[in-house]
Amino acid sequence: GAVVSQHPSWVICKSGTSVKIECRSLDFQATTMFWYRQFPKQSLMLMATSNEGSKATYEQGVEKDKFLINHASLTLSTLTVTSAHPEDSSFYICSARGGGRGADTQYFGPGTRLTVL
Amino acid sequence: QKEVEQNSGPLSVPEGAIASLNCTYSDRVSQSFFWYRQYSGKSPELIMSIYSNGDKEDGRFTAQLNKASQYVSLLIRDSQPSDSATYLCAVINGGGGGADGLTFGKGTHLIIQP
Repeated sequence: GAVVSQHPSWVICKSGTSVKIECRSLDFQATTMFWYRQFPKQSLMLMATSNEGSKATYEQGVEKDKFLINHASLTLSTLTVTSAHPEDSSFYICSARGGGRGADTQYFGPGTRLTVL
Repeated sequence: QKEVEQNSGPLSVPEGAIASLNCTYSDRVSQSFFWYRQYSGKSPELIMSIYSNGDKEDGRFTAQLNKASQYVSLLIRDSQPSDSATYLCAVINGGGGGADGLTFGKGTHLIIQP
């Protein structure tokens, strides 16, 4: 149980284009999903918290107009990187809360590696 | 700003020995603590959660929490080469309830020597 998927697993795009990443909870309903970013040899940094049916809450320093988050259902959240630039190249990982073993336990998706040329 | 501190390592442990990983956190009101394992190029995998002072055991893993000292540790008994990974300590940002995300330490790179 508590399986989270992400799609795509990797993407390469040109500078200035937009990229959408999907995060799905496969076997449980997730009222809250989280988006993290991990640069090489660094730890995960929380970007935003996504609640079903409401606007996302962004961490300080994360541009909400650049990183668009939509949590349209209890099993799906999407992150769109708009007008991507090389400095946005990173490992983007979503997590979902729920699925037993403690109400605040987060289960992580496999991640999406974004490379912006 | 909440902080979670870990020794980055690498920590090298012989196969079959006990690996001891440590973590300190800055926010005294933190209530929920997690250990994740991350293999290179992969996303984190939950190992243990701990909420109360004392020890919590799950198979070869034991998590220890001391809120007075703001200290969390993870012991891995009978270490195996497959345990070689980066171990991330994480703390819930808020007072609990699941609404807040996690603050991660930078991770300890563990190497189990065959």
